[in-house]
Amino acid sequence: GAVVSQHPSWVICKSGTSVKIECRSLDFQATTMFWYRQFPKQSLMLMATSNEGSKATYEQGVEKDKFLINHASLTLSTLTVTSAHPEDSSFYICSASRAARSNEQFFGPGTRLTVL
Amino acid sequence: GENVEQHPSTLSVQEGDSAVIKCTYSDSASNYFPWYKQELGKRPQLIIDIRSNVGEKKDQRIAVTLNKTAKHFSLHITETQPEDSAVYFCAARVGNAGNMLTFGGGTRLMVKP
Repeated sequence: GAVVSQHPSWVICKSGTSVKIECRSLDFQATTMFWYRQFPKQSLMLMATSNEGSKATYEQGVEKDKFLINHASLTLSTLTVTSAHPEDSSFYICSASRAARSNEQFFGPGTRLTVL
Repeated sequence: GENVEQHPSTLSVQEGDSAVIKCTYSDSASNYFPWYKQELGKRPQLIIDIRSNVGEKKDQRIAVTLNKTAKHFSLHITETQPEDSAVYFCAARVGNAGNMLTFGGGTRLMVKP
């Protein structure tokens, strides 16, 4: 149990276009989902925390108008990178937790975004 | 907010030797400390975790120790194998910050056969 999927697994796009990444909890309801960005050979940096039905909480330095997060249901959160630029190229990983007091986060497989 | 530092950034050991990775955290309210293993291009996998009411936890070749007073915790891998080669991340969760994790910078472990 506790499987999280992401789609797409990789995407290449032109500069200026928008890209949507989906994160789904397949066999559990995720009260909270997290979006991370990971540059090569670096750690996971939390971008935002999203709770179902409410606005996402963004970390300092993350532009909420550029990285749009929607958590429309207990099994789906989406991250849209708007007007992507080459510096947005990165590995984006989501995670989900089952309940407010649950310790463990279950990670998706990640999406590699390359902006040309 | 919470700050987690991890050392060393790279670690090379001979197969069969032990490996130790150390992390320190800043927020005394942190109460949950997981360790993740990440292979290249893949998702982080939880390998062991410890809560603040426990000082040590062991699972086969992997153990984690926690010193709340000093605010540091360590991962110990014994009898290392080549398949242990990966990047390891420690993380800490502040008790009143939902489930938000703050990650350390990672340690690239290389186990030489």
